[in-house]
Amino acid sequence: GENVEQHPSTLSVQEGDSAVIKCTYSDSASNYFPWYKQELGKRPQLIIDIRSNVGEKKDQRIAVTLNKTAKHFSLHITETQPEDSAVYFCAASKDNAGKSTFGDGTTLTVKP
Amino acid sequence: GAVVSQHPSWVICKSGTSVKIECRSLDFQATTMFWYRQFPKQSLMLMATSNEGSKATYEQGVEKDKFLINHASLTLSTLTVTSAHPEDSSFYICSAYTPVQGPYGYTFGSGTRLTVV
Repeated sequence: GENVEQHPSTLSVQEGDSAVIKCTYSDSASNYFPWYKQELGKRPQLIIDIRSNVGEKKDQRIAVTLNKTAKHFSLHITETQPEDSAVYFCAASKDNAGKSTFGDGTTLTVKP
Repeated sequence: GAVVSQHPSWVICKSGTSVKIECRSLDFQATTMFWYRQFPKQSLMLMATSNEGSKATYEQGVEKDKFLINHASLTLSTLTVTSAHPEDSSFYICSAYTPVQGPYGYTFGSGTRLTVV
């Protein structure tokens, strides 16, 4: 089955700096890669996603890049703010109807 | 947008009792519902996938007789934890998928924190 590895497990940055979280996946058939933000005790919220026919996608301060050959994808957050502090999960699935395999999560702390 | 209502948000029960968790899609029909369990500071682990009107597909290692899933309609899926034990204490969360949602295919419920004492 699919295996998703996520790094780093914790990340601390100063407000205004950029944050990068990386994930690798094992199943070359996976073609949908969402990123979720989860605040303590709350549900995961989709923040951005990318499909395998796209190499990069950007939404304001958030961007995701995908390298299908290397089977890795990354989340980039620019101009970080304290409210960006949360746990971020990457996931991979074969299509947007199939089950997702989640990474172990990255706890991002943005220091004011 | 699409909303999945999950109840209860938290529950405390005694060992040996059963607990039912409900997930309802409020403004769309959920053809597929995924049930996840999340331990503190850990990732979401898929327990099972259910499709309306058919039996759930359980992930390896998940006891189907202990975690009963029913997806009787396109708007309701339930997870029943039977004969609960302290090790079943966890955060349970559902996620619904429906093709009409387009790129935002998954909508999570708000989660249920189960504590078994």
